[in-house]
Amino acid sequence: NAGVMQNPRHLVRRRGQEARLRCSPMKGHSHVYWYRQLPEEGLKFMVYLQKENIIDESGMPKERFSAEFPKEGPSILRIQQVVRGDSAAYFCASSPVRGTSFIEQYFGPGTRLTVT
Amino acid sequence: KNQVEQSPQSLIILEGKNCTLQCNYTVSPFSNLRWYKQDTGRGPVSLTIMTFSENTKSNGRYTATLDADTKQSSLHITASQLSDSASYICVVSNTGTASKLTFGTGTRLQVTL
Repeated sequence: NAGVMQNPRHLVRRRGQEARLRCSPMKGHSHVYWYRQLPEEGLKFMVYLQKENIIDESGMPKERFSAEFPKEGPSILRIQQVVRGDSAAYFCASSPVRGTSFIEQYFGPGTRLTVT
Repeated sequence: KNQVEQSPQSLIILEGKNCTLQCNYTVSPFSNLRWYKQDTGRGPVSLTIMTFSENTKSNGRYTATLDADTKQSSLHITASQLSDSASYICVVSNTGTASKLTFGTGTRLQVTL
C-alpha cells in the first residue's frame, strides 16, 4: 500500500510564474490536507479538502493560492505569480475519514519550492 | 494565541545514550498532543498521540509523557540509535477539526558514534 505521494519533490520557479503541486493520497483515503513549512518554522495548516469539496481553507492566503481535489486524480495546490516568500516545503497529508482532531494524518514527503 | 514551544532547539548525543525532549504549549481548549519524527527530506511520521487523561504512552524506545495541568510534555528516547537522528515535532490539537493542529518548530536530534 503506497503512502502519500507528492510531486514534484523539488520545484524551482522564477518570480511571477505559477507553481502546481500534486498530492496523491493513500489508497482508500478521501481527505487531504495541505501544510506549509517555512524555513526555521513549524508546519502551518493551509487547507483541508474532501473530494470535490473544500472543507476548511482558513489557513490559505487570500490571494494567489488555490487548492482542489477533483473526483478523479490528485489534489492540486496552485500558487499563481509566485514570490520569494513562497519558498517553502509544502506537505500534503491524508486520512481515511473526516478529519477531527483525533484522526491520524499520514504525511507525504513534501515538495520543496524555491522561487528565484 | 495558540503556541507550541520545544526545547532544546538542537541536541547531539552519543549512540546508546538516552535523551529527553521538552514541549510546552498554550493551546486551548486542549484535545490531544502528538509527537512526530521527521527525517530530513521526509514528511512527519506519528510516534504517539495522547489525550487529556493519558499521562504516558510508549512506542518502542520512545516514551511520551503529558502533564495537562502544567501544559508540558516530554519525549524520552532510550538507548539511542543512529537512525534516531531526525527532527522531533510536538503537535497540539485544539478540539474540532484538523485545522486546529498547532505544530512546534521541532528539536533536531543528531546521534553520533
